[in-house]
Amino acid sequence: QKEVEQNSGPLSVPEGAIASLNCTYSDRGSQSFFWYRQYSGKSPELIMSIYSNGDKEDGRFTAQLNKASQYVSLLIRDSQPSDSATYLCAVVYNFNKFYFGSGTKLNVKP
Amino acid sequence: SAVISQKPSRDICQRGTSLTIQCQVDSQVTMMFWYRQQPGQSLTLIATANQGSEATYESGFVIDKFPISRPNLTFSTLTVSNMSPEDSSIYLCSVGVSSYNEQFFGPGTRLTVL
Repeated sequence: QKEVEQNSGPLSVPEGAIASLNCTYSDRGSQSFFWYRQYSGKSPELIMSIYSNGDKEDGRFTAQLNKASQYVSLLIRDSQPSDSATYLCAVVYNFNKFYFGSGTKLNVKP
Repeated sequence: SAVISQKPSRDICQRGTSLTIQCQVDSQVTMMFWYRQQPGQSLTLIATANQGSEATYESGFVIDKFPISRPNLTFSTLTVSNMSPEDSSIYLCSVGVSSYNEQFFGPGTRLTVL
């Protein structure tokens, strides 16, 4: 059974703060990791992908991957109310087979 | 990425009937997938839609209940057959568009079964 674990939240942070979202996975064989943002009533939107250990930055977003510890995280700097959404961690097992975590709901308070 | 559309965007159906959901992509893609997202839950992969061959179903999903067609590289359909209220969910198609396994989602179809 492939498992992807996320804290369901809600995670509340004040506007301008750093939001830190975490995800752990069970299978060491996974090679690709993604973060999706899903607004209420909308479909998931890909915001970050990471494939190797370390950090990957894109604007206010930083994805961090540690394969030895089997976790991947997403940092959102200077959080804005528009960042309030559910963030889904996805891990690829085998070619193209995605497993999603249950998502972490983020609330950014003005 | 790719531009993905789904029809219908939502529907309310009666128990025992079937609904076919269409997924159209603006470019040819090799990989197309169908997911289900039940209320308050995460996404569950139903099947991989293979062009020119039968779909590959995940554990817990069967062809008789969720028949899938993939007639070409830009289009796929998912049918939800003999519906019950437990089938009420959002159904999403996604496409894989790069060698890095990235997947992009369509807008989804919100299905309510009475």
